[in-house]
Amino acid sequence: GAGVSQTPSNKVTEKGKYVELRCDPISGHTALYWYRQSLGQGPEFLIYFQGTGAADDSGLPNDRFFAVRPEGSVSTLKIQRTERGDSAVYLCASSSGLAPGETQYFGPGTRLLVL
Amino acid sequence: AQSVTQPDIHITVSEGASLELRCNYSYGATPYLFWYVQSPGQGLQLLLKYFSGDTLVQGIKGFEAEFKRSQSSFNLRKPSVHWSDAAEYFCAVGDLNTGFQKLVFGTGTRLLVSP
Repeated sequence: GAGVSQTPSNKVTEKGKYVELRCDPISGHTALYWYRQSLGQGPEFLIYFQGTGAADDSGLPNDRFFAVRPEGSVSTLKIQRTERGDSAVYLCASSSGLAPGETQYFGPGTRLLVL
Repeated sequence: AQSVTQPDIHITVSEGASLELRCNYSYGATPYLFWYVQSPGQGLQLLLKYFSGDTLVQGIKGFEAEFKRSQSSFNLRKPSVHWSDAAEYFCAVGDLNTGFQKLVFGTGTRLLVSP
């Protein structure tokens, strides 16, 4: 079956602009995660959803970042007033549940470049 | 807070030679540990995971890892490396405070395979 998909694959924007990054999880997966991977670093947790609600948003760096999952499937990560430091690869993952050690399946990421 | 250290930024191995990638974690209780591989343009793919039971874990693509509590280590091994194994490898630990859903990643080890 289809894996996790993310669109766009690349996004170039100007400082101060608003961007939306989309994630389509594996069908039937109830949990969805967002991570951010800066150059030369490992992924850093941003937020995860169980169903429609954000179960943990402790990794969002500031209030310019917001994520939604209104119908419990597709999720959108929104970044307002982008800054050059927001440039990174944004990774989405999904899992079938929240049991400890549940495998998270990752998408290919959206590479965001803020000029 | 949990943390993961991958002391080797780059490793070069000859094709057919054995491989060991190091991972050390900081965690009070029995951790949930993962190894992921990331190839260019691909999402992170789970190689193997450990959370209980036999301390030697078998994964996909001929990889294995051994959990050593006394050394706080979870090193990844492969007896004979193939050119297609060239990629970035990430060790990760599940965060107890969020039911192990929030993964904390190391900075990665880039594997280069020489002919």
